[in-house]
Amino acid sequence: NAGVMQNPRHLVRRRGQEARLRCSPMKGHSHVYWYRQLPEEGLKFMVYLQKENIIDESGMPKERFSAEFPKEGPSILRIQQVVRGDSAAYFCASSSGGNTEAFFGQGTRLTVV
Amino acid sequence: DQQVKQNSPSLSVQEGRISILNCDYTNSMFDYFLWYKKYPAEGPTFLISISSIKDKNEDGRFTVFLNKSAKHLSLHIVPSQPGDSAVYFCAASARGGANSKLTFGKGITLSVRP
Repeated sequence: NAGVMQNPRHLVRRRGQEARLRCSPMKGHSHVYWYRQLPEEGLKFMVYLQKENIIDESGMPKERFSAEFPKEGPSILRIQQVVRGDSAAYFCASSSGGNTEAFFGQGTRLTVV
Repeated sequence: DQQVKQNSPSLSVQEGRISILNCDYTNSMFDYFLWYKKYPAEGPTFLISISSIKDKNEDGRFTVFLNKSAKHLSLHIVPSQPGDSAVYFCAASARGGANSKLTFGKGITLSVRP
């Protein structure tokens, strides 16, 4: 009964490269959320997706960041042309919808050098 | 603009005693509140939640109290155990449920001394 799976756990990118973070929700969950945690900060909401649809992207930076949750396969958070300020822990959470709590993955720690 | 505030960055208590973690919020639209526990290098783990129609919710050693007029909630852990040592995040959502975006506080580091 696997939980929310995120990979990779650690990702190092040079400035200007692309970062792809993957999230496989818990079995039966069709709602995915992405959060970012900067050092010494709480988690900040980025985007909420259901299968093939972006429901709320109010927390996404206007440029370089995109997210998708295709009909088949994991949800992907994509960061183009990474900068040092993108270094953070990125957490994915999933839920089954309705008034249910979301379960978090272990996160991907992105380091931009 | 910090809509969910956890003003004390850390708390240290003796094993067996009560831990009280506080949280304040400013957004009147928040109507659902959650507490998460987080160990280093892991994701947050859901602990307990409370809807704004209630003022108390209890689950084993964990109790959450909500004071809507003061826009304040607290998490009580009793008795505290060394395994409770972690970072605790308060989170809130609007629109009536957990199935929407959460606004998190910065967290409180709880240390339970044996």
